[in-house]
Amino acid sequence: GAGVSQSPRYKVAKRGQDVALRCDPISGHVSLFWYQQALGQGPEFLTYFQNEAQLDKSGLPSDRFFAERPEGSVSTLKIQRTQQEDSAVYLCASSPGQGGYNEQFFGPGTRLTVL
Amino acid sequence: QKEVEQNSGPLSVPEGAIASLNCTYSDRVSQSFFWYRQYSGKSPELIMSIYSNGDKEDGRFTAQLNKASQYVSLLIRDSQPSDSATYLCATPGGSYIPTFGRGTSLIVHP
Repeated sequence: GAGVSQSPRYKVAKRGQDVALRCDPISGHVSLFWYQQALGQGPEFLTYFQNEAQLDKSGLPSDRFFAERPEGSVSTLKIQRTQQEDSAVYLCASSPGQGGYNEQFFGPGTRLTVL
Repeated sequence: QKEVEQNSGPLSVPEGAIASLNCTYSDRVSQSFFWYRQYSGKSPELIMSIYSNGDKEDGRFTAQLNKASQYVSLLIRDSQPSDSATYLCATPGGSYIPTFGRGTSLIVHP
């Protein structure tokens, strides 16, 4: 079966533009996480979905960040009015169980560069 | 604030040696611990999970957990140049949200 996929793999945006990042988790996986990873750092939690419910969005840096998973499968992370500090790799991970108690399967990430 | 601490390295070992990677965590109720390997420019992939005190072995990898000391480690025996990567320690602590350390860079030189 296919793993977690993300698109686009690379995105260059001008400051102030809106961007949308897509994640296709492994089919049947209940949990979906979004992370932000800066160079030389570990992944930082952004938000968590259990099926279609967004159970935790405490890691979103500002109200410019919005995520959804309307049918409990594909998820989109949207960033409005991008700023240079938003430049990072955005990782999506899915897991068959609930929460972070089980192995997570990561997608390849989207590298966002804001000019 | 949950914390997972790792020495950023780099840790340099010769080929064939044992590499020892260490991680400490602050949340005493942590029950699940994970080691991920991340090659440069790639995404993390799971190497080992451990839930109970003691050692867990899988091939050349051994994870060690000491909950009393809030310490988890990963040993890599017979290290190979292909093991050169960043190793991330992660735990959900008392919540369901995983916290990752910053990772330790391992370099295995021939």
